[in-house]
Amino acid sequence: GESVGLHLPTLSVQEGDNSIINCAYSNSASDYFIWYKQESGKGPQFIIDIRSNMDKRQGQRVTVLLNKTVKHLSLQIAATQPGDSAVYFCAENLGGGSNYKLTFGKGTLLTVNP
Amino acid sequence: EAGVVQSPRYKIIEKKQPVAFWCNPISGHNTLYWYRQNLGQGPELLIRYENEEAVDDSQLPKDRFSAERLKGVDSTLKIQPAELGDSAVYLCASSRPGNTEAFFGQGTRLTVV
Repeated sequence: GESVGLHLPTLSVQEGDNSIINCAYSNSASDYFIWYKQESGKGPQFIIDIRSNMDKRQGQRVTVLLNKTVKHLSLQIAATQPGDSAVYFCAENLGGGSNYKLTFGKGTLLTVNP
Repeated sequence: EAGVVQSPRYKIIEKKQPVAFWCNPISGHNTLYWYRQNLGQGPELLIRYENEEAVDDSQLPKDRFSAERLKGVDSTLKIQPAELGDSAVYLCASSRPGNTEAFFGQGTRLTVV
């Protein structure tokens, strides 16, 4: 559920299980979305992106689903591994076209238990 | 290829003092971003450069923050004077022309005491 201040939404899974991280975005005009992974003490790392003219995009072990009707984005991680433990952020591009202006969501802390 | 390089990694200063952060983007990336990330929050854009031009600085607190990218490569972000609320991680990112995938540096963790 929603958390306030320093308390991130958290997801705890067992190694090998599939993980689903959800994100609600704010602007129906956003045309581009990115999922980032941020490990402790590091900058965000690109995972996968999707444009608004798509509903689904698959990468290696990751799938992003976009539901524009309800402005919802999800990241699915297959066979979650301990190395997947991190904070995951969704970001939407509010700028449109070439005017890139990424706005990040709050983030979800994923913990993978061995 | 080398990633985005930022320095210093950590900085502790007293309030009212000035501070500067430096960023070297990935070679060939003409778009450079400065973000601020508060504890437990996502990064927030401060300023975006296309080459040496600041094309979006609408969220930069201009009374105390300034940035420059004189030759369209390295960039510095300055705060003068720093306030307690400026404590955060300052992230630099860069991207290729026409590509929104931004590559981030490790950030500078600023603590103002």
